[in-house]
Amino acid sequence: DTGVSQNPRHKITKRGQNVTFRCDPISEHNRLYWYRQTLGQGPEFLTYFQNEAQLEKSRLLSDRFSAERPKGSFSTLEIQRTEQGDSAMYLCASSLVQGRTEAFFGQGTRLTVV
Amino acid sequence: SQQGEEDPQALSIQEGENATMNCSYKTSINNLQWYRQNSGRGLVHLILIRSNEREKHSGRLRVTLDTSKKSSSLLITASRAADTASYFCATGLMDSNYQLIWGAGTKLIIKP
Repeated sequence: DTGVSQNPRHKITKRGQNVTFRCDPISEHNRLYWYRQTLGQGPEFLTYFQNEAQLEKSRLLSDRFSAERPKGSFSTLEIQRTEQGDSAMYLCASSLVQGRTEAFFGQGTRLTVV
Repeated sequence: SQQGEEDPQALSIQEGENATMNCSYKTSINNLQWYRQNSGRGLVHLILIRSNEREKHSGRLRVTLDTSKKSSSLLITASRAADTASYFCATGLMDSNYQLIWGAGTKLIIKP
């Protein structure tokens, strides 16, 4: 399968714990995006990478959130000191730099903070 | 705040009927995209229409774009039970070459 892969699919954690999610984009895609989606809502943009450079970070993203894409391939999203309000689906997407701009999404990681 | 607003929020029709969903947006766009999401799953890209295009077809899907009214519609013809999903519009902004702004989606139910 050469689509976008996210791990884990589900994560349950206690409030205050740190969690890390991984995204493996489509191999030839330079752009990688992280979104958060809560029930009944559309995705909210969190951050964007072009290759290994993090070019934009949403104002919604508190200092507890950090994302990396060390070699311009896979990316990780870490949430420190999780809060119940962090419970959501975290979606990763990738796309090509040039040409068509549709994004290809992974299946998401559903985070539940208890 | 979200850019796109889908209408209706929910739509329930009989299999075989056509389904029409609308999307309105606020700012100038480079393109508008429609995505489908099955319950608890990721989003699947359906169709992209650029700001200089007025209509686009893909299989049973027909998308229109009216930039003067800042609105788009997605028509699914001859609906099938497998079309049951949430449908989202996402706008690619004119002053951004990467960010998509999303609406809250239309939940479509196709009754067999």
